[in-house]
Amino acid sequence: AQSVTQLDSQVPVFEEAPVELRCNYSSSVSVYLFWYVQYPNQGLQLLLKYLSGSTLVKGINGFEAEFNKSQTSFHLRKPSVHISDTAEYFCAPLMNTGFQKLVFGTGTRLLVSP
Amino acid sequence: DGGITQSPKYLFRKEGQNVTLSCEQNLNHDAMYWYRQDPGQGLRLIYYSQIVNDFQKGDIAEGYSVSREKKESFPLTVTSAQKNPTAFYLCASSIRGQETYEQYFGPGTRLTVT
Repeated sequence: AQSVTQLDSQVPVFEEAPVELRCNYSSSVSVYLFWYVQYPNQGLQLLLKYLSGSTLVKGINGFEAEFNKSQTSFHLRKPSVHISDTAEYFCAPLMNTGFQKLVFGTGTRLLVSP
Repeated sequence: DGGITQSPKYLFRKEGQNVTLSCEQNLNHDAMYWYRQDPGQGLRLIYYSQIVNDFQKGDIAEGYSVSREKKESFPLTVTSAQKNPTAFYLCASSIRGQETYEQYFGPGTRLTVT
């Protein structure tokens, strides 16, 4: 079974519009959850993470995500996107198999147009 | 500035040749990782190392080899046995033993084998 599912491979949106990138994880992984961003031809940068505490997590660049245990979801949101947010976004739960391994989703490409 | 460097950024090789990708970090991290990224497949773990002189296979280790002789360095060799080596390779590192679990990524090396 898939440990993590990013339902949308691509999300087109206009500048200043809100956006939600969806992520669902299986109950077999831990509840440590991460979102990373990758700009073209670059490495990954951490946007935000949920380890414990408040289920609403704020990250860099105005992004936030909400951990929902009952729906096993960790959707990423931004109320108003910029052209510069065009990038690929990866959801990654931590799998505890004796070694804490990040399991990456297939990614969602956010395309922001003017 | 602390960080992870990968060189070169672009690498071209002929089929049948071994090639070594460099990864160096000055973050004083114990753990280091190699991932392979293909379009639409997210990141897949090739090898990881939690301490010097020790490393473990990840999910797709066949056709790859690594060494960890120094804390700062974790080179990856793509051997001629790797059937489809053309990909984007990412190196990462993390602190071991602290419950942050965040991985820091290098800028990547794009390998093209023809």
